[in-house]
Order: sequence, then C-alpha cells, then structure tokens
Amino acid sequence: DAMVIQNPRYQVTQFGKPVTLSCSQTLNHNVMYWYQQKSSQAPKLLFHYYDKDFNNEADTPDNFQSRRPNTSFCFLDIRSPGLGDAAMYLCATSRPRDTQYFGPGTRLTVL
Amino acid sequence: GENVEQHPSTLSVQEGDSAVIKCTYSDSASNYFPWYKQELGKRPQLIIDIRSNVGEKKDQRIAVTLNKTAKHFSLHITETQPEDSAVYFCAARPVSGGYNKLIFGAGTRLAVHP
Repeated sequence: DAMVIQNPRYQVTQFGKPVTLSCSQTLNHNVMYWYQQKSSQAPKLLFHYYDKDFNNEADTPDNFQSRRPNTSFCFLDIRSPGLGDAAMYLCATSRPRDTQYFGPGTRLTVL
Repeated sequence: GENVEQHPSTLSVQEGDSAVIKCTYSDSASNYFPWYKQELGKRPQLIIDIRSNVGEKKDQRIAVTLNKTAKHFSLHITETQPEDSAVYFCAARPVSGGYNKLIFGAGTRLAVHP
C-alpha cells in the first residue's frame, strides 16, 4: 500500500496562493497520472506522463501544471487556487497499458 | 468522445443479497475494464478487472461479465456484507491515449444493511 505515496495528505491554502502536491512511487512504473476528485464524483484525469512525455487533457485548466523530474516523482502545481479547486487530488501509476494503482490522495482546502 | 455510463447511481441491499452494477462504454476498441471500490475518504482500490478477450471472470464473491457486442460489462457481488458498502466505479480503457487512459463511470453508491 505504501508503493504510491502522496504528500501532504491534507493541504490548506489561501485563495490565489500557489500550492504544490507531491507524488512518489517505488514501483518503477513508466506512467504517472494526476486526477481531481470532487465529492461523490468520479476521478477526473488532469494529465499523465509516459516517462517524460507529458499528456494534457483538453479540458484541464491552465492553472494546473505538472512536473516529473525523474521516474519516481511527479508534482502537481496549482498556480492560483480558486474555491472551485478544493478537492481530493489522486496520483496513480501504471506500467504501459496496464492496471492503474492509486495513492492515498491529498485533500486540498482553499480558504 | 469516449464515455462510460454506469447504473444505478445508488443501490441498497440487505446483507446476504446479491448486488449488480452495470456499465456501458462507447469506444468499441476499448480493451480493458477495471472495477474500483472506494470507501469514504480513501483511495480507489482495484477489486477486479477483465480484458476484452475474456467474457467472464470471478474472484470469490465478485464476478465481472463482458459483452463486447453490446459494449457493456457488469459487476456482480454475491452474499453481500456490510463491509461491501462503498462507492464502486467502473472504467474502460479506450484506444485514445495509447491505451494508457481510463474513462470512469459516474459511480454507484452501494449500501448493505445488516
């Protein structure tokens, strides 16, 4: 269960104050994903990396950026959080064309 | 674009009864169909999956069936227990994104009453 790790588990930020969420994995998976999940809804894919190849979803706001400095780590940057960005942010990893495994998530609160 | 429809949105059963959740997908080239269980405040966890070359798969009290012609797949839980209470998400993996993306259904909230 500790194979996909997300930090912090809970993050409180102020409206408009940049925030960075972290994901790391010990599975050596090529693909890493960031999802946004709001209450009672399905996870919504924001973007994913296949190795260093970045794939953005068409409806992901420009306010959301991502970095993957190496195989193990991936970061989600929210440049100017709004109240509507309060959600659970889930990181997942997989081998190419294989099962996705989710981290425990970071719950973001925007004040 | 690709779409997965999931029904019902809520399901309430008595302990020991069976529960069935159904999903329909739009991309006929989809080749992989996982089911995730998500308890309140926790991560989605894979409970069973099926690939497009298989019609049915079973794991103890859980089974999944796939009808490729009709483009639908179902989750069957037998002898339900209170700990089965959770939100269940189906998903399909379409050809877009190089078969690396999942399209999720909207979820089914299952309540099992003792």
